[in-house]
Amino acid sequence: QVQLQESGPGLVKPSETLSLTCTVSGVSMNTLSYFWVWTRQPPGKGLEWLGTIYSSGITYYNPSLESRITMSVDTSKSHFSLKLSSVTAADTAVYYCARQTTLDSDYGAVDYWGQGTLVTVSS
Amino acid sequence: DIQMTQSPSSLSASVGDRVTITCRASQDIGSDLGWYQQKPGKAPKRLIYGASNLQSGVPSRFSGSGSGTEFTLTIGSLQPEDFATYFCLQHNSYPLTFGQGTKVEVK
Repeated sequence: QVQLQESGPGLVKPSETLSLTCTVSGVSMNTLSYFWVWTRQPPGKGLEWLGTIYSSGITYYNPSLESRITMSVDTSKSHFSLKLSSVTAADTAVYYCARQTTLDSDYGAVDYWGQGTLVTVSS
Repeated sequence: DIQMTQSPSSLSASVGDRVTITCRASQDIGSDLGWYQQKPGKAPKRLIYGASNLQSGVPSRFSGSGSGTEFTLTIGSLQPEDFATYFCLQHNSYPLTFGQGTKVEVK
């Protein structure tokens, strides 16, 4: 059973760097069959895709965040990570990690999600 | 970027009602769309993939239709466990983009 679990500080100060990790279980990350995704949902608002990383380390980032976002992957530890620098109150959100599949009939679709973790940016 | 316009943003319904939610894409995305159910504090759950394919284990009262720019999620007969928020997600191109969500509430 595929499971994804976000972890990291729930409170980050303005101008600092938000750091989260997503631990993956039930499937090997060391495969070309899946990509790994971060999304977020500010309180009362819709979901926003932040970026996708392949097991090879290739990344695709949301252009609106490209100057502040870094994603990395460690397949040996079955986790991938998000860093978002210079945060402001506007970065307060529930952050979700998720998986994209590369199965032919479903290429690029997001099929599994973590339950999310609330990160508040406040001094 | 492909914009996804979802409607309605909320609806009130009773158990047994038929519920329809729509997503419109700002350009042709073929069938590269999924529908998801979201409950507070839980991982979103995929209901429909490829616009019209039922995810394994999802009750058959859920169905999806459409292609190109207009898509529909239908709940054939609303059950108590279906009161939740639903959203669509296009994966045709980056950036991935979402509908704003539809909250299905008790009437």
